[in-house]
Amino acid sequence: DAKTTQPPSMDCAEGRAANLPCNHSTISGNEYVYWYRQIHSQGPQYIIHGLKNNETNEMASLIITEDRKSSTLILPHATLRDTAVYYCIVRVGTSGTYKYIFGTGTRLKVLA
Amino acid sequence: EAGVVQSPRYKIIEKKQPVAFWCNPISGHNTLYWYLQNLGQGPELLIRYENEEAVDDSQLPKDRFSAERLKGVDSTLKIQPAELGDSAVYLCASSRGGRADTQYFGPGTRLTVL
Repeated sequence: DAKTTQPPSMDCAEGRAANLPCNHSTISGNEYVYWYRQIHSQGPQYIIHGLKNNETNEMASLIITEDRKSSTLILPHATLRDTAVYYCIVRVGTSGTYKYIFGTGTRLKVLA
Repeated sequence: EAGVVQSPRYKIIEKKQPVAFWCNPISGHNTLYWYLQNLGQGPELLIRYENEEAVDDSQLPKDRFSAERLKGVDSTLKIQPAELGDSAVYLCASSRGGRADTQYFGPGTRLTVL
C-alpha cells in the first residue's frame, strides 16, 4: 500500500502562505492524492484532491510533482482558523477494493 | 445540504457493557464508512458499505464489533462487550462513490470505556 510521510508539525505566521509537504514515493499511476484537515473535536474536512495536474479551489492549491512522488498543499493566506492537523492521503486499490490510508498528519499552528 | 450526522457525540460506559453508534449519511451517498481514530493518530478504516453490502470489513474485529446498514441508508456500529482499549473516536463518513469520490465525515462519537 502507498504510504504518506508528513512533518509532524509546522508553524506559519497569520497572513502568510502555509506550504505543507507530503511524500508518497510508492504511489501508483491511478492513485489519487487527497488532503483533509481536522480541527480539534471535529471530523476530518475535505480540502482538495488531485491525480497528476495541479489543482486549485477556494480553500487551497495542490502542487503534485511530475513524478508524483510528492505533493504540497498551499494555503495562500493562512488565518488563525486554519490551525488544525492536515492529512495527506493516498487512495489505494481499484473500485471495490480501494481504501484511504491516513498517516499521522502535520499539526499546523498559525501564529498571530 | 445536511452533513453526515452521528449520535451520540459522547459516550461513557463501563467495560464489558455494550455500546452502539448511529450514523446518517448525506442524502444520495451510497458509500458509507466507519473509522476508528485513536488519540494522536489518523483515522483507520473499520468497514465500508456500498449500499447495504459490506464490501470491506477486513479491519473490523468481528469477535466484538458488528455493523449493519439496513435499507442502504443509516448505519449502526456496535461493540459488545466493550474493552478499555476501545476508548477512541468513532467516525462515520459517506461518499457518492466512483473513481475520484470524496468522503465527507461526521463529527464522530467519542467513546470512553472505564
